[in-house]
Amino acid sequence: EAGVVQSPRYKIIEKKQPVAFWCNPISGHNTLYWYLQNLGQGPELLIRYENEEAVDDSQLPKDRFSAERLKGVDSTLKIQPAELGDSAVYLCASSLGPGAYEQFFGPGTRLTVL
Amino acid sequence: DAKTTQPPSMDCAEGRAANLPCNHSTISGNEYVYWYRQIHSQGPQYIIHGLKNNETNEMASLIITEDRKSSTLILPHATLRDTAVYYCIVPIGSNYQLIWGAGTKLIIKP
Repeated sequence: EAGVVQSPRYKIIEKKQPVAFWCNPISGHNTLYWYLQNLGQGPELLIRYENEEAVDDSQLPKDRFSAERLKGVDSTLKIQPAELGDSAVYLCASSLGPGAYEQFFGPGTRLTVL
Repeated sequence: DAKTTQPPSMDCAEGRAANLPCNHSTISGNEYVYWYRQIHSQGPQYIIHGLKNNETNEMASLIITEDRKSSTLILPHATLRDTAVYYCIVPIGSNYQLIWGAGTKLIIKP
């Protein structure tokens, strides 16, 4: 069974440029999460989807970040424009449902903003 | 919401048991304790979870004290591949939201 797929694995951009990350969750997983992880810290939830609906986006900086999960399968997280402080690892995870005890994580996208 | 406290780092010799402590003194009666780990350059990986009773699976054992204020994750025979950051988490809310601390960096030494 394929795990959570993320692309790209690495991205280097200049500040003020846009960037997008893509995630394909495990087949059949209705819940999808985007996390941000800074160096030396644990992941921080940005947004959670139940199917195609964003049910928790309270931590998403909506002035520059946006996300979508069309058709309730794969998802895209976008930053426009990127700032130096956005340099981090962006993790995608999925689970069978919101109360599922196990979240499955992708390898993450490491973003460097110059 | 229960918070967890873990030592920032630990060492363990290869082949020995690694015992990782976690304090969750404000945990309530129906809250679970979860453990994940994150190997360098990978996403976190679920290990085990428990409520009251001790739990064991193919990866580890989880010992929860009777008062539930602390727990210990045990890797019975640590290998070099167990070097990782280990996170102890008490999920919050009905949707079991995971609030991640900094975890314990476990280094297995040959």
